[in-house]
Amino acid sequence: EVQLVESGGALVQPGGSLRLSCAGSEFTLSSYEMHWVRQAPGEGLEWVSYISRTTTIYYADSVKGRFTISRDNAKNSLFLQMNSLRADDTAVYYCAREGDCAGNGCLDVWGKGTTVTVSS
Amino acid sequence: SYVLTQPPSVSVAPGQTASIMCGANNIESKSVHWYQQKPGQAPVLVVYDDTDRPSVIPERFSGSNSGNTATLTISGVEAGDEADYYCQVWDTNTDHGVFGGGTKLTVL
Repeated sequence: EVQLVESGGALVQPGGSLRLSCAGSEFTLSSYEMHWVRQAPGEGLEWVSYISRTTTIYYADSVKGRFTISRDNAKNSLFLQMNSLRADDTAVYYCAREGDCAGNGCLDVWGKGTTVTVSS
Repeated sequence: SYVLTQPPSVSVAPGQTASIMCGANNIESKSVHWYQQKPGQAPVLVVYDDTDRPSVIPERFSGSNSGNTATLTISGVEAGDEADYYCQVWDTNTDHGVFGGGTKLTVL
């Protein structure tokens, strides 16, 4: 079964750092564009970051300069390095695979998410 | 930035048709994708590129996009369709993903 599994979520103090991982199985992650999407408690979905197959990278304005997306093709994995964390970064973080759609950005496979809590 | 506007809630009786709107300036120029999210679960893609449906999604789910409004239509609504639904586009002007605020579908 094609799936994504996130890990690395934790409770962290404001100003701290965290590295999220996303492992793909039953497909070659390097063959796909990948995204991170987050959801704050009781809120809607928020797009966070994108990485192409050729490592073109984009970030939401709310995380630019603090978060870094990367991929390790040998490990079939996606990462999100999060620095200078703030309370409003508290959310479930999902990694998602971009499907074969004409319009870009359609996310056809999602992980179950990993929870990041930023609090003192 | 590009903003997608959805009604917070829609209610429908079982067996009826639910229409969930997603409004934005000239949204017809973009490809709209729709996701279903049930409590405690990850989102699931139900419609992509305005009108296409993943093979595992029932034909009851359909989409359209015209003018300033994209619409997700669910025919013959079932209790299991109760969920939050999100529209989404890729904004090529900013190279950002954009989600609507979400619509909670209640099956009466």
